[in-house]
Amino acid sequence: QITLKESGPALVKPTQTLTLTCTFSGFSLDTYAAAVGWIRQPPGKALEWLALIYWDDDKYYSPSLKNRLSITKDTSKSQVVLTLTDLDPVDTATYYCVHRKITVLPGLTIVDGGLDSWGQGTLVTVSS
Amino acid sequence: DIQMTQSPSTLSASVGDRVTITCRASQNINNYLAWYQQKPGTAPRLLIYNASSLEHGVPSRFSARGSGTEFSLTVSSLRPEDFATYHCQQYKALWTFGQGTKVEVK
Repeated sequence: QITLKESGPALVKPTQTLTLTCTFSGFSLDTYAAAVGWIRQPPGKALEWLALIYWDDDKYYSPSLKNRLSITKDTSKSQVVLTLTDLDPVDTATYYCVHRKITVLPGLTIVDGGLDSWGQGTLVTVSS
Repeated sequence: DIQMTQSPSTLSASVGDRVTITCRASQNINNYLAWYQQKPGTAPRLLIYNASSLEHGVPSRFSARGSGTEFSLTVSSLRPEDFATYHCQQYKALWTFGQGTKVEVK
């Protein structure tokens, strides 16, 4: 069974840097094709993808936020860390970490399948 | 960037109704589309992946179809627990979500 849990501050001030940790179990991020991502949801609004990290340390970021985001992994601790710099009140949101559903076919073809496991989310409020 | 547009934004329905939500991609995403259900205060739950494959444990009253740029999610007979917000997501090129469709009690 795959589980993920986000941790980090509930309240941060404008201009500060947010650091969130996702601690997971039930899979290893050094397994071929594994990936973990971060998604956020401002109160009452839509889901927004932020960042994604693959088993081979390949990283991708939302184009609108890439200058402010960083994602890293610590496989030995089963953790993924997201940092978001220069916070603004519009960054107030529930932040989720997610596991990418995959199937690896013969020949190592990866078949993607959405996001099959989500953390419970952590609400981060940006306010002075 | 691939944009995802859901319609309607809100849908009013009654228990037993058949409801359909649509999702349109700004460019061809083949079948790289997922649907999620989200209830207030909880994380989204994967319902459908690869446009039409039912995730394990999801009731068969949920179905979906589409490919390319036009997709739909149908609930054949709404149950009380189906009143929620539904999101589509493309994963052809990075990830993008639709704005969500709230299914509310009529």
